[in-house]
Amino acid sequence: RKEVEQDPGPFNVPEGATVAFNCTYSNSASQSFFWYRQDCRKEPKLLMSVYSSGNEDGRFTAQLNRASQYISLLIRDSKLSDSATYLCVVTSSGGYQKVTFGTGTKLQVIP
Amino acid sequence: EPEVTQTPSHQVTQMGQEVILRCVPISNHLYFYWYRQILGQKVEFLVSFYNNEISEKSEIFDDQFSVERPDGSNFTLKIRSTKLEDSAMYFCASRDDRGGQPQHFGDGTRLSIL
Repeated sequence: RKEVEQDPGPFNVPEGATVAFNCTYSNSASQSFFWYRQDCRKEPKLLMSVYSSGNEDGRFTAQLNRASQYISLLIRDSKLSDSATYLCVVTSSGGYQKVTFGTGTKLQVIP
Repeated sequence: EPEVTQTPSHQVTQMGQEVILRCVPISNHLYFYWYRQILGQKVEFLVSFYNNEISEKSEIFDDQFSVERPDGSNFTLKIRSTKLEDSAMYFCASRDDRGGQPQHFGDGTRLSIL
């Protein structure tokens, strides 16, 4: 099983749609979880941290299920500018924080 | 907002030559990282650095790679004898010492080996 697994997509959705991405991780001792977005040939940029209780930032909602080792990202009211690759990032426990990236899920929002 | 800066943005080098990629992490950060991303592939961890020493490295980070923090601000990645397969984007990242904090990435150096 891959350490961090994502559906690569692409997800092609119309503007205004709601889209959800899932991510599973294999290491039950993983400590911190994040969603990053990466535009083509650019650096990963932090979208949001993922907390156990779930968290929301505007149109974006992240959920964590530690029992199932599963993370999700929901985007409501998709905008053209949301088109990017969404990276699930899982970090190990401990100060050094080894980071493992998923392969990313590509989203294309269509006018 | 403070950011991680990397230079150069693009480096073209002949195979077998040495390259040094430079990074200036965010000033109050204590953990530093290098990643690479081959075109069309996932971001891969190379190495983490804390307290002036390597804390963890991946199997990609073999003897041809080294990292250094030569002064209080720069963090460098050296590739001693480059190979064609070293062609990739190299990202530097840093984070502060609070638990659970995300890493902040520089905008990368595109390394092209000819």
